[in-house]
Amino acid sequence: GIQVEQSPPDLILQEGANSTLRCNFSDSVNNLQWFHQNPWGQLINLFYIPSGTKQNGRLSATTVATERYSLLYISSSQTTDSGVYFCAVWSGNTPLVFGKGTRLSVIA
Amino acid sequence: DTEVTQTPKHLVMGMTNKKSLKCEQHMGHRAMYWYKQKAKKPPELMFVYSYEKLSINESVPSRFSPECPNSSLLNLHLHALQPEDSALYLCASSQGAGQPQHFGDGTRLSIL
Repeated sequence: GIQVEQSPPDLILQEGANSTLRCNFSDSVNNLQWFHQNPWGQLINLFYIPSGTKQNGRLSATTVATERYSLLYISSSQTTDSGVYFCAVWSGNTPLVFGKGTRLSVIA
Repeated sequence: DTEVTQTPKHLVMGMTNKKSLKCEQHMGHRAMYWYKQKAKKPPELMFVYSYEKLSINESVPSRFSPECPNSSLLNLHLHALQPEDSALYLCASSQGAGQPQHFGDGTRLSIL
């Protein structure tokens, strides 16, 4: 089945810093989503981005489907950005497969 | 994502109990999903319903029994669970296969 690898696994940032999270996948995908899971376990939909670039406030994402990777950019990070960021892909008939996530801690 | 509602938020049960988890969405989505998430791990797919029919069962033990009474509602019936079944159970829905999935807040289940 498709493999999804995220890096880095852990990231500690000072408030106000910028960061880039990466998601590599091993096969072509129909769907790619970025999620933020907050410390209370809520899984928040950030982007649906099988290809191209999208922006939403301080967050933006780019997927280069031909090279099988996606990037999530967080600018001017805030403590409320802390949590785990998951990349998940749907490939062929295989439903959403999640990467292991990037655990982000933003320190004031 | 609060358009998918899961109840209860927390559940503690003994190994001999029978309980049910409930998931509801009113977005007109035709696909619904159950995931299990252990601590510090990503969500893992358990079941997929498409147009109210079970389309995927990821080799889940029979002590977990899903049910989709109508297009808005998804249940997960629990019976004779084991302590290792303690986890966060997440429900999701999407318009169809391959479309963006929207998650509920989950039910945190503890088996004594």
